[in-house]
Amino acid sequence: EVQLVDTGGGLVQPGGSLRLSCSASGFIFTSYAMHWVRQAPGKGLEYVSGISINGGSTYYADSVRGRFTISRDNSKSTVYLQMSSLRVEDTAVYYCVKDHSGGTYFDYWGQGTLVTVSS
Amino acid sequence: QPVLTQSPSASASLGASVKLTCTLSSGHSSHAIAWHQQQPEKGPRYLMNLNSDGSHSKGDGIPDRFSGSSSGAERYLTISSLQSEDEADYYCQTWDTGINMVFGGGTKLTVL
Repeated sequence: EVQLVDTGGGLVQPGGSLRLSCSASGFIFTSYAMHWVRQAPGKGLEYVSGISINGGSTYYADSVRGRFTISRDNSKSTVYLQMSSLRVEDTAVYYCVKDHSGGTYFDYWGQGTLVTVSS
Repeated sequence: QPVLTQSPSASASLGASVKLTCTLSSGHSSHAIAWHQQQPEKGPRYLMNLNSDGSHSKGDGIPDRFSGSSSGAERYLTISSLQSEDEADYYCQTWDTGINMVFGGGTKLTVL
């Protein structure tokens, strides 16, 4: 059974940093790209970032480029999202998502972790 | 990059059928999409991917009541024999070269 467990969310002040983790199991982690998607309170889904199988290629939404960094540790089947210079508008539930193949659609979602940016 | 347009809301009666629409922007009518369901207070769940020819494959455990079809730039999700647990937000998603992922705005389905 595929499982994605998202952790690391919390309350942080504007300008602060936070690192999210996603622990994956139930599939061959090294064969799939991974992504992060977020959802602000009462809003729709927004793509945040993605990383290729070996970590050699990364992708970012314009809204987070330069502030967020995605990475993965294939030995631990874990993907990370390092968030810095956080803004109030980054407040959202962040979901780790598994890519079906080759940067197409998402076929499994984590349960999400809430990030609140507030003073 | 492609843009996906969804109606903000839809409603149908318990036991009836409903057809939700996701429209691809001009120049992207051959794109495949995926449908995702988000029940209240839960995370999203993958339902199916849907190609331009209407062929589709569903995710694990998705009931036969859920089906997909296509016509031109329109991609449809049909839910038959509506149940109360089908009340949810439904999002379509597509992708472009270079991991360019796009979501529609979502449709809130109310089961009457």
